[in-house]
Amino acid sequence: AQSVTQLGSHVSVSEGALVLLRCNYSSSVPPYLFWYVQYPNQGLQLLLKYTSAATLVKGINGFEAEFKKSETSFHLTKPSAHMSDAAEYFCAVSDRKAGTALIFGKGTTLSVSS
Amino acid sequence: DVKVTQSSRYLVKRTGEKVFLECVQDMDHENMFWYRQDPGLGLRLIYFSYDVKMKEKGDIPEGYSVSREKKERFSLILESASTNQTSMYLCASSLAMGYEKLLFGSGTQLSVL
Repeated sequence: AQSVTQLGSHVSVSEGALVLLRCNYSSSVPPYLFWYVQYPNQGLQLLLKYTSAATLVKGINGFEAEFKKSETSFHLTKPSAHMSDAAEYFCAVSDRKAGTALIFGKGTTLSVSS
Repeated sequence: DVKVTQSSRYLVKRTGEKVFLECVQDMDHENMFWYRQDPGLGLRLIYFSYDVKMKEKGDIPEGYSVSREKKERFSLILESASTNQTSMYLCASSLAMGYEKLLFGSGTQLSVL
């Protein structure tokens, strides 16, 4: 069964600093991978997804993630944090078998200070 | 504007009550999902459905059941609510299973007293 592990439940950065949120996956077959964001008091929305085209995936709001099979990782990065990036971020995995649903990680809360 | 609508934003129930959480999507999506979200535990899949009248158990189905009589509506049922079911419940839908993004509702915060 597939699973994801998000390293660090809470990450704090200064405005303008690099954002790095870590996600490692476990899947017996090539996975689909996703990052979702949840702003305070809002539902989840998709940031980006990897479905086996390019290994470097660009998403909304300047975020990107790189699929590294050798490291079973899909870390999320943004070169320069903005105050509005403060939110909870979830990594999710789905295998390519029909009928499987997304499995989410436990989430990482990103705080951005001025 | 396409959306997933959950009928209640906040709900307070007593232990032992039968609770219905309703979710409606207007995108003609085949697949619908119920997750619960708890601090430090992330989102955990309760049940999902890939067609009308079809359902599949997720990771934590105990104490829950679901109903999907119409394509657009997916109901989560707590047969006898317990305090450990106090949580944020999120409904989502998607066009296809696996690689398509989920569209989430705003959630229902359920408190069981």
